[in-house]
Amino acid sequence: GAVVSQHPSWVICKSGTSVKIECRSLDFQATTMFWYRQFPKQSLMLMATSNEGSKATYEQGVEKDKFLINHASLTLSTLTVTSAHPEDSSFYICSLTGVSETQYFGPGTRLLVL
Amino acid sequence: GIQVEQSPPDLILQEGANSTLRCNFSDSVNNLQWFHQNPWGQLINLFYIPSGTKQNGRLSATTVATERYSLLYISSSQTTDSGVYFCAVGAGGGNKLTFGTGTQLKVEL
Repeated sequence: GAVVSQHPSWVICKSGTSVKIECRSLDFQATTMFWYRQFPKQSLMLMATSNEGSKATYEQGVEKDKFLINHASLTLSTLTVTSAHPEDSSFYICSLTGVSETQYFGPGTRLLVL
Repeated sequence: GIQVEQSPPDLILQEGANSTLRCNFSDSVNNLQWFHQNPWGQLINLFYIPSGTKQNGRLSATTVATERYSLLYISSSQTTDSGVYFCAVGAGGGNKLTFGTGTQLKVEL
């Protein structure tokens, strides 16, 4: 299966700052990656589909100007939370689909906005 | 969109016990996967099973697509099986997944 890393694993920031989260595929070239958000004790919610070399596709209700996604290469997608506020505190997880449609997940990034 | 409900929401087992987790979905799907999320948040793919039956060690899964449900069987449970189990479904193309509500499993000694 594919190996996916995320950086950072934890981030604490002040309200109003921007935070960038990186998602890397270590052994697989992924034209498509996915970004999810998970609040405590809840399920995963798909935020957007990241497409290499083109604009991301956002799910309904997700602000594309607040959550900037850049898929610069076949192994790297980044999610930038702009002007973060306490309500953006969450667990952000990326994933990609391997050869067999099996989806592989990164370890996640916990964001706390003070 | 597709609704995905899992049951039970919570489950406590003694080590060595068997269990069955259920996933019901509201529409036809061509993609169904089961995941285990460990206490640190990492999701591990257990099965890609849009139909039929698969087994992997102590785990097995069955999906009856025509009746819109899937079952995950855990036999001889161990404390390391604790965590949250999610099923996730997709329809059409693009590999997008909709996650279910999850089953929180705790296995005690």
